[in-house]
Amino acid sequence: DSGVTQTPKHLITATGQRVTLRCSPRSGDLSVYWYQQSLDQGLQFLIQYYNGEERAKGNILERFSAQQFPDLHSELNLSSLELGDSALYFCASSVVGGEGAAFFGQGTRLTVV
Amino acid sequence: GENVEQHPSTLSVQEGDSAVIKCTYSDSASNYFPWYKQELGKRPQLIIDIRSNVGEKKDQRIAVTLNKTAKHFSLHITETQPEDSAVYFCAARTRTGTASKLTFGTGTRLQVTL
Repeated sequence: DSGVTQTPKHLITATGQRVTLRCSPRSGDLSVYWYQQSLDQGLQFLIQYYNGEERAKGNILERFSAQQFPDLHSELNLSSLELGDSALYFCASSVVGGEGAAFFGQGTRLTVV
Repeated sequence: GENVEQHPSTLSVQEGDSAVIKCTYSDSASNYFPWYKQELGKRPQLIIDIRSNVGEKKDQRIAVTLNKTAKHFSLHITETQPEDSAVYFCAARTRTGTASKLTFGTGTRLQVTL
């Protein structure tokens, strides 16, 4: 167990819908990262938050947004969903300022039908 | 931005043999290089990491080497076992203050055969 918790584990939804994925980082970690992993693909960096503020951005679509709350949990919002958005979405956290190792949650498998 | 290339994409070795996976990175500002192991449908798990001020690090059967000049780093697994079969990802981190981006390679599927 990495200490990073993601909910839900599985999500099935229809095209055009909106979903919210939730992540609770390890105790004491201020940085949260979101990654997308499509079938048999690598890990695509979406976005990083540090202590409530966006700090780094990757290839995140405009239909996607994220935030980190005062209690440090983070949410990834995916809207106007398309079939191609079906993927595993991972959250990871690391200690202050992104220093040190990043530990991953178990992921949310999103299926868009 | 950072670009990480990883080779080979698939690797098959016999049990007991060694496996080597190589990665190159493009951004000389990258200063931290972790390796993750991912089993099917599971989370990537950190297996070893190295910082830019170190040339080599070893942990039992796993070792990582870093050549900053050439911008490449490698994972070495000795005495492979069937449970080593998984997808391995290298990564490079670029950090500016509290902004941190961990860029992953495309992964190597390692198959250890009996």
